[in-house]
Amino acid sequence: EVQLVESGGGLVQPGRSLRLSCTASGFTFGDYAMSWVRQAPGKGLEWVSFIRSKPYGGTTEYAASVKVRFTISRDDSKSIAYLQMNSLKTEDTAVYYCTRHKKFSSSWYNYFDYWGQGTLVTVSS
Amino acid sequence: EIVLTQSPATLSLSPGERATLSCRASQSVSSYLAWYQQKPDQAPRLLIYDASNRATGIPARFSGSGFGTDFTLTISSLEPEDFAVYFCQQRSNWPLTFGGGTKVEIK
Repeated sequence: EVQLVESGGGLVQPGRSLRLSCTASGFTFGDYAMSWVRQAPGKGLEWVSFIRSKPYGGTTEYAASVKVRFTISRDDSKSIAYLQMNSLKTEDTAVYYCTRHKKFSSSWYNYFDYWGQGTLVTVSS
Repeated sequence: EIVLTQSPATLSLSPGERATLSCRASQSVSSYLAWYQQKPDQAPRLLIYDASNRATGIPARFSGSGFGTDFTLTISSLEPEDFAVYFCQQRSNWPLTFGGGTKVEIK
């Protein structure tokens, strides 16, 4: 069974940092691209960050709203994806979901076929 | 950035009725559009990808259509568990973007 479990959320002051983790199980983590998607309270979904699998360079993409401040990374030996969030702003308050990209042959679609339960990040003084 | 506009914002229907949800893109996304369902306090679930392909385990009452800028999600006969919020998402261009959502509520 595929599982994605996020951790690391919490209350943080504006300008501070936080690192989220996503621990994956039930599939070969290294074969998949991964993304973080967030949802502000009572709002819609916003894609945040993406990382390719290592065979495709492990390169990354970011939403303009978080570029420079957030960094996505992965440790395939531990089946964990990370989101390092620096210089946090109040508008970063949201539930952060770890997502797996749907497989397509040896590559992937940029759609999300599995989601974690989410971890709440609250940025407030 | 491609903007996805969903309509209506809220759809009030009874179980057994047909639901038709719309998603319009600000520029062509070809067939690169997905639909997700989200229930309260749950993560979204992938329903449809590439406009018309049902994801694994999704019942046949869910269908998608469209190409270019106009897309539709149809639920042929609403079951009680289908009352939820539905989002569309495009993969044509970076950044990946979502629509604002349509809430399907019980009339």
